Amino acid sequence: DAGITQSPRHKVTETGTPVTLRCHQTENHRYMYWYRQDPGHGLRLIHYSYGVKDTDKGEVSDGYSVSRSKTEDFLLTLESATSSQTSVYFCAISAGQGNYGYTFGSGTRLTVV
Amino acid sequence: QQQVKQSPQSLIVQKGGISIINCAYENTAFDYFPWYQQFPGKGPALLIAIRPDVSEKKEGRFTISFNKSAKQFSLHIMDSQPGDSATYFCAASITSNQFYFGTGTSLTVIP
Repeated sequence: DAGITQSPRHKVTETGTPVTLRCHQTENHRYMYWYRQDPGHGLRLIHYSYGVKDTDKGEVSDGYSVSRSKTEDFLLTLESATSSQTSVYFCAISAGQGNYGYTFGSGTRLTVV
Repeated sequence: QQQVKQSPQSLIVQKGGISIINCAYENTAFDYFPWYQQFPGKGPALLIAIRPDVSEKKEGRFTISFNKSAKQFSLHIMDSQPGDSATYFCAASITSNQFYFGTGTSLTVIP
């Protein structure tokens, strides 16, 4: 999707290993989000950022951490991957408070074995 | 608990027919209700959205109907086409910071 790139697109990792997913945007948007998508649950917010070094938890944040050292990059880290974290992860961006236009990336399919 | 409840889980419609997907919510503080369309291997894309001060919004073949008193809203796809086959998510937001999504509806339009 234009302006937002997720990497890697696919990853298989072993239980207990740390994993970092990257979201990169070229829109200079202030807000960035990480969601996970699972059958029967829709999309659920993990963490979001409202500026460089400013982050907050979403509804399913346990086991995940995030960092944003630059406006364009938002990293999601699974400290010690578990099978329950097998999912498709989506990054989204928006221009900010009061601007409801979300743009989603193409997703990262993560499998924890 | 699920903040936004969506039904049906899957839907099969003949080409030219009307597809209807329903969502319900409890939190009356929600002030923005979008619908997203997702094709396989892609991220969700905003399709159409409504605010609670209007009862209906139409964009081409897509219409949102909003019933504030019943706390329900629905997506109607008129003259459904095979290219509309996708997964549809409703969502609700209080501010723009966090959206609550429904569980999704897989729509198949049969030629």
